[in-house]
Amino acid sequence: DIQMTQSPSSLSASVGDRVTITCQASQDISNYLNWYQQKPGKAPKLLIYDASNLETGVPSRFSGSGSGTDFTFTISSLQPEDIATYYCQQYDNLPPRLTFGGGTKVEIK
Amino acid sequence: QVTLRESGPALVKPTQTLTLTCTFSGFSLSTSGMCVSWIRQPPGKALEWLALIDWDDDKYYSTSLKTRLTISKDTSKNQVVLTMTNMDPVDTATYYCARIHRADPRDGYILDYWGQGTLVTVSS
Repeated sequence: DIQMTQSPSSLSASVGDRVTITCQASQDISNYLNWYQQKPGKAPKLLIYDASNLETGVPSRFSGSGSGTDFTFTISSLQPEDIATYYCQQYDNLPPRLTFGGGTKVEIK
Repeated sequence: QVTLRESGPALVKPTQTLTLTCTFSGFSLSTSGMCVSWIRQPPGKALEWLALIDWDDDKYYSTSLKTRLTISKDTSKNQVVLTMTNMDPVDTATYYCARIHRADPRDGYILDYWGQGTLVTVSS
């Protein structure tokens, strides 16, 4: 099975800072990579799909990039409401299998 | 609008079988490309994918848990059921169901709508 290594596991940044999270796959996954935001006590919410596509209604300060094995998720200007844990998720098509990264907890400094 | 809701016991004993139901609205699991998946999250830990069922009744399972899991659907009731056998305290987690809609066969497996989750505690 493909393994997803997400880093860092936590970070602290100031409001307005640029925040970057990375996810590395154990083998080439093309662009089969999604990003989710999970606030405490809530279900995850889809932010980015297929590595770089912004889900409808998601603020443009969120973005994703990468292909193959290395992916990046960026918050261009951190806002107080962005405090959450962020997860990457890869998928195989044949057969369908999904794998999540270990998560990155984002806090305000 | 699309909604999903998980239901099931809050407490199960070790060795028992867990049965969870996902009741959804706003879409039909008989529509081509529709899937429902189960994901769990132990307290304070990461998400873990468990299983997926699609509109064609194809079923897929986590490699590590496939011997313990069974997923099924009742299209007429808009429900998906997950059973997990031989429950252990390490299976204590919030269990989520989520929708995947592959409008095109080339589309990915993207969890676009999630239920609120249900916490299951395994303890004697």
